[in-house]
Amino acid sequence: SSELTQDPAVSVALGQTVRITCQGDSLRRYYASWYQQKPGQAPVLVIYDKNSRPSGIPDRFSGSGSGNTASLTITGTQAEDEADYYCYSRDSSGNHRLFGGGTKLTVL
Amino acid sequence: QVQLQQWGAGLLKPSETLSLTCTVYGGSFTGYFWSWIRQPPGKGLEWIGDINHRGSTDYNPSLKSRATTSLDTSKNQFSLRLNSVTAADTAVYYCARTTTFGVVVYMDVWGRGTTVTISS
Repeated sequence: SSELTQDPAVSVALGQTVRITCQGDSLRRYYASWYQQKPGQAPVLVIYDKNSRPSGIPDRFSGSGSGNTASLTITGTQAEDEADYYCYSRDSSGNHRLFGGGTKLTVL
Repeated sequence: QVQLQQWGAGLLKPSETLSLTCTVYGGSFTGYFWSWIRQPPGKGLEWIGDINHRGSTDYNPSLKSRATTSLDTSKNQFSLRLNSVTAADTAVYYCARTTTFGVVVYMDVWGRGTTVTISS
């Protein structure tokens, strides 16, 4: 499969931990990167490589992977983390790139 | 700090050609891919394609060869052309810098986006 599948919506209570997942055959070979997008804004890279954070991204964001699933975990979720989150990687052939469908995170 | 500034026509008619340009400030083309992504209203992100500093390109197969990217290193610019546009091409278009090596690929610098509307 050349798709990356994400749950359309996830909710979490303020201060709790949430895991957002991304599934696809290509993730057995390639790492996913993760992007946060707030309404009306460009996406922002939050996790890349195995589990690296760009400068300025809080350490409550972390990444992991197992088998065909990549995960973004937010520990101690804050109200400002409410956003859409997208995974991104290569397809199974390795020749092209693609995004997951996105997950809307609601902080309760 | 690298910044990307993008521009292009925001309103096109069906069958016309979309043309967008992105200027790279504060960085070099070498060692990166330079990418285009779009987002239709209310929908998710779609990778369109990219070009590296040598001019090697790669495109989303779903665009069926309508997309072309190019590079002008003398102006620190890269561009996207998408021909035969239809209403389905209405979207916010982003340019971005992509780093890829081995099993890793990510976009760490993004433009602010250009809204392109296709309407007769």
